[in-house]
Amino acid sequence: SQQGEEDPQALSIQEGENATMNCSYKTSINNLQWYRQNSGRGLVHLILIRSNEREKHSGRLRVTLDTSKKSSSLLITASRAADTASYFCATDLNTGNQFYFGTGTSLTVIP
Amino acid sequence: KAGVTQTPRYLIKTRGQQVTLSCSPISGHRSVSWYQQTPGQGLQFLFEYFSETQRNKGNFPGRFSGRQFSNSRSEMNVSTLELGDSALYLCASSLFGVGSYNEQFFGPGTRLTVL
Repeated sequence: SQQGEEDPQALSIQEGENATMNCSYKTSINNLQWYRQNSGRGLVHLILIRSNEREKHSGRLRVTLDTSKKSSSLLITASRAADTASYFCATDLNTGNQFYFGTGTSLTVIP
Repeated sequence: KAGVTQTPRYLIKTRGQQVTLSCSPISGHRSVSWYQQTPGQGLQFLFEYFSETQRNKGNFPGRFSGRQFSNSRSEMNVSTLELGDSALYLCASSLFGVGSYNEQFFGPGTRLTVL
C-alpha cells in the first residue's frame, strides 16, 4: 500500500500566488523527498529533507517536516505557469532500501 | 554529467509476450531502482539493485525480474505480459541506494502498452 498521501489531490491557483501541498506518511523515515512530474514524463527531484531537519529552502521552494505528526509540506512561492505539474512526496523508510511514493498533488497554475 | 537514460521510450507488445527494458544510471551511481506508474496504483517500487545484487523487492509477481551489470546498467524483464502491465516504467539511480541520504534521479521512463 502507499506509504504517503498527498493533500490536496488537485490544486488550481492564479500565477503569482503561493501553492501549498501536504504529505502524510505512516512509518518512521530516513528522509523525505519531493518530486515534480510533468504530464506522464520522468520525475524531477526538487528537494530532500532528512529526518533530523525541520525546514529546508531551495529557490522558491520551502519544505517542512514534522516527524511527530509524520507529515511534510511543500510551499511554492510566487507560482508560475511552468509550475503546472504533479508533485509527489517519497519516503525512504528506516528499514532501508525501501522507497515509497505518495499519491501526488496535481497543481495547475493559471496564467 | 549525463542523466539517467532509459530505452526504449515507447513499446507496444501483445499479451503473453515478454519485454526487456534498459536503464543506464548517472556515471558513478551504483544503485538502480525500478518503479511502475499507473493511473490506478500510482508509483510503486519494483526492485533495487546495488553492485549487481538485488537488495530489495516490492510486491510484484515473479514475472517481473531484473538484473544489474558490472557497469551499473540495469535491465528489467517482464514475462508473459498482461493487459495490467501497461504502465510507465521509471528507473532511478543514486550513489549508494535508497537506504542512505542520497537523492534519487529519475530517467524519462519507458511507456509500455500491452494489447
